[in-house]
Amino acid sequence: QVHLVESGGGVVQPGGSLGLSCAASGFTFSTHGMHWVRQAPGKGLEWVAFIRFDGSDEYYADSVQGRFTISRDNSKNTLYLQMISLRAEDTAVYFCAKELKIASTSTSPFDYWGQGTLVTVSS
Amino acid sequence: EIVLTQSPATLSLSPGERATLSCRASQSVSSYLAWYQQKPGQAPRLLIYDTSNRATGIPARFSGSGSGTDFTLTISSLEPEDFAVYYCQQRIKWPITFGQGTRLEIK
Repeated sequence: QVHLVESGGGVVQPGGSLGLSCAASGFTFSTHGMHWVRQAPGKGLEWVAFIRFDGSDEYYADSVQGRFTISRDNSKNTLYLQMISLRAEDTAVYFCAKELKIASTSTSPFDYWGQGTLVTVSS
Repeated sequence: EIVLTQSPATLSLSPGERATLSCRASQSVSSYLAWYQQKPGQAPRLLIYDTSNRATGIPARFSGSGSGTDFTLTISSLEPEDFAVYYCQQRIKWPITFGQGTRLEIK
């Protein structure tokens, strides 16, 4: 079955950097778009970034544009999120999520999510 | 960006009752509206996509309707495991956005 396992979270100082990974299994990773979504403590869901199935396209939330970079390695079935210039307001659980549809040319709903990894930005 | 406004913020009902959750978009999202359920400490789960399509394994008591800017998630007869937070999401336009959530609590 589908498994998405995030890793790389932790405590980082404001202005610091951190890289997250999402290891995927149980489906053909290279044929599905992938997203990062975050949830600040006690708050709702905020979409962060998207990468197309073949890595040909990326989109970002305005709040992270220029600071976060999404990437993927289809040979390793792994999704990444590189974060720099971190701020207190980036503190959240970060989820990776898989798109429902194969090789979508737009986007499709998120049918599987990982359990998330907590990023805390604090001095 | 498209703002999704969910109402009510909190809904207090008893098992067996019918739940009706609303999501209103600041501009048309056509039919590209999904609903997710999230329980404490868990990842969200896809319930309904493209307004009215149930995701795999979702019970028939969950249904979605609407179009354009006004959408509804209905749970026909609440089971104990349905008490959770529900989010709507649009994907017609970047950035993808979520509503602020409706908390469905036991009365």
